[in-house]
Order: sequence, then C-alpha cells, then structure tokens
Amino acid sequence: QQQVKQSPQSLIVQKGGISIINCAYENTAFDYFPWYQQFPGKGPALLIAIRPDVSEKKEGRFTISFNKSAKQFSLHIMDSQPGDSATYFCAASRYNFNKFYFGSGTKLNVKP
Amino acid sequence: DTGVSQDPRHKITKRGQNVTFRCDPISEHNRLYWYRQTLGQGPEFLTYFQNEAQLEKSRLLSDRFSAERPKGSFSTLEIQRTEQGDSAMYLCASSLWGGQGDTGELFFGEGSRLTVL
Repeated sequence: QQQVKQSPQSLIVQKGGISIINCAYENTAFDYFPWYQQFPGKGPALLIAIRPDVSEKKEGRFTISFNKSAKQFSLHIMDSQPGDSATYFCAASRYNFNKFYFGSGTKLNVKP
Repeated sequence: DTGVSQDPRHKITKRGQNVTFRCDPISEHNRLYWYRQTLGQGPEFLTYFQNEAQLEKSRLLSDRFSAERPKGSFSTLEIQRTEQGDSAMYLCASSLWGGQGDTGELFFGEGSRLTVL
C-alpha cells in the first residue's frame, strides 16, 4: 500500500513558467512533509519541508502548499529554470522521523 | 568532503553471490538509514539505526538482508544469495536526532548500485 501518492510522473515546463507537483497521503499521523530533489547519479537532497500547523511555506522560488483536511500537499516552483530539471520526491514522516515514505517521483524538464 | 559516503558505487554480481555495501555517515549524526530505490520509483525504507541500535526493519527486508552499525559510526548492508530482484540502488542517509539540531533532514549518499546477473 503506497503511503504517499505523487503526480504527475513527468512534467515539461518552459523556462520562466510555474511547475506544480502534487502529493496525497492517507496516514493522519504524519507530521512532517519534505520535498527532495534528485539529480542523475546523485542522492536526493532536501529542498523544502513543512509541518501541518501551517498552510504554506516559501523559500525563494519554492513554495509548499499544504491542505490538512484534504490530506494533500504540493510543490510550486516559480520562474522555473533549466537548472531545476531533476526528479522531485515528496515524502512524509511521523514526528520522530523514524521512517520516511516517499512518493514515486516527478521528473521535471524545464525547456530553455 | 564531510558528506555521506557509500562504497562501492557500483557492484555487478552473479545470482547467488553475497554482496556487502558500506556507508560512512556524517560524523556527528546519530541516525543512519538504508533505503532502496528502483528505476522510476522513490526511495523505499529498509531499516534504520540510532547509534548502534537497529530500531526498525521493513517487513520487505527478507532474511537474506542484514545490516549492522557496530560502533554507531559506519554501517554495512549485506545481501546474501542475491536474486535478480535485488538489483537496485541502495541509498544510505544519516541525520541528527534530538536536540536543537534535529530538523528531520536526511542527508543521502550517492548510493551503491547493485546489478545481479
């Protein structure tokens, strides 16, 4: 049973456009929702994270929107750049960070 | 380089052979995780350690898999009698649990890719 469902599987965006990736979860015990960015041949790296006590968190061009009642959260990349081309994973964990459940990933291609 | 390092980066083996992967975490991190990632999928939890104690193992981890972190520093993941279905990227991550430095962030290594022929 997949704990975190992610969509779309792939995304093509023009340079300067907005990239939006969505995730949904079932377990209401989840307390921490990070997004990881992975480049080919590299391990995932934390991009931005949110806890359910806020509905939005912004860091530079990256914003997480969180809807607790719908059990959904999304990543928005504003002014997308070719350097943002990577695979993005949403994840969820309980407060003790003992186990992270990752989505299946979204491969983003930002065209110049 | 003070990041998480994994060795070897790529291992090709024949079915039935044993393989061992090593992970050296960030030195001050007390938690160490092993994840498995197959092509087109997200990382899948295998097990994690807090210091030298293995606190949780995935039900997906068969008896052929064993992990150790003998002195709370580096860790090894051994796969016995490898099968073709074991072919994947094995990712190690470390984190700092507890205290003000605990942000929940996982620091991943670049992974060890296993190919079972």
